[in-house]
Amino acid sequence: SAVISQKPSRDICQRGTSLTIQCQVDSQVTMMFWYRQQPGQSLTLIATANQGSEATYESGFVIDKFPISRPNLTFSTLTVSNMSPEDSSIYLCSAPLTPGANVLTFGAGSRLTVL
Amino acid sequence: GENVEQHPSTLSVQEGDSAVIKCTYSDSASNYFPWYKQELGKRPQLIIDIRSNVGEKKDQRIAVTLNKTAKHFSLHITETQPEDSAVYFCAASRQNTGTASKLTFGTGTRLQVTL
Repeated sequence: SAVISQKPSRDICQRGTSLTIQCQVDSQVTMMFWYRQQPGQSLTLIATANQGSEATYESGFVIDKFPISRPNLTFSTLTVSNMSPEDSSIYLCSAPLTPGANVLTFGAGSRLTVL
Repeated sequence: GENVEQHPSTLSVQEGDSAVIKCTYSDSASNYFPWYKQELGKRPQLIIDIRSNVGEKKDQRIAVTLNKTAKHFSLHITETQPEDSAVYFCAASRQNTGTASKLTFGTGTRLQVTL
């Protein structure tokens, strides 16, 4: 079955630093999506990452805080910049990996704790 | 934008009983409605989905119904088992043919199946 992998799986970060999360898929996809899941909460879309164009951010999320790269059709990164404790969350990437269907598959997530 | 409401937030049932989770959506153009199951510490996984051209879909013990007029859809789990215990999320999106689209998630339902 199709695979979507993220790293790091977890990290503990200091306030004011930045961390980049990587997402790798094993098939070429046009769109990838980055979600945030705060503790005990639902999934909130941060941005949609299209290959070859700038990411599209949802209301409440800005590029300076969450820069995204999409260098090719199988890879994307999300950076959480100038972190504060409020950024402690699980960050998940997702992509449509099922052949012939536009069903989103999620990565295992990256759990960030900001001290 | 789309807004998805989900009820109840928690649900406790005895093993063997049925469980029903309900969602409403706001965007009448939404045409794709998946349900994800998230076990503790794991990634969300698709369990069933329905598109707006059908009113009901069933897969073994799981079924989903959709009422486009009322803009609500429901997940039905029959003969519940302890392994059904998890958080369930409904979602909605507009999907164009051949293109994946962002999902807007409900707030989640924590289902506990007791012995």
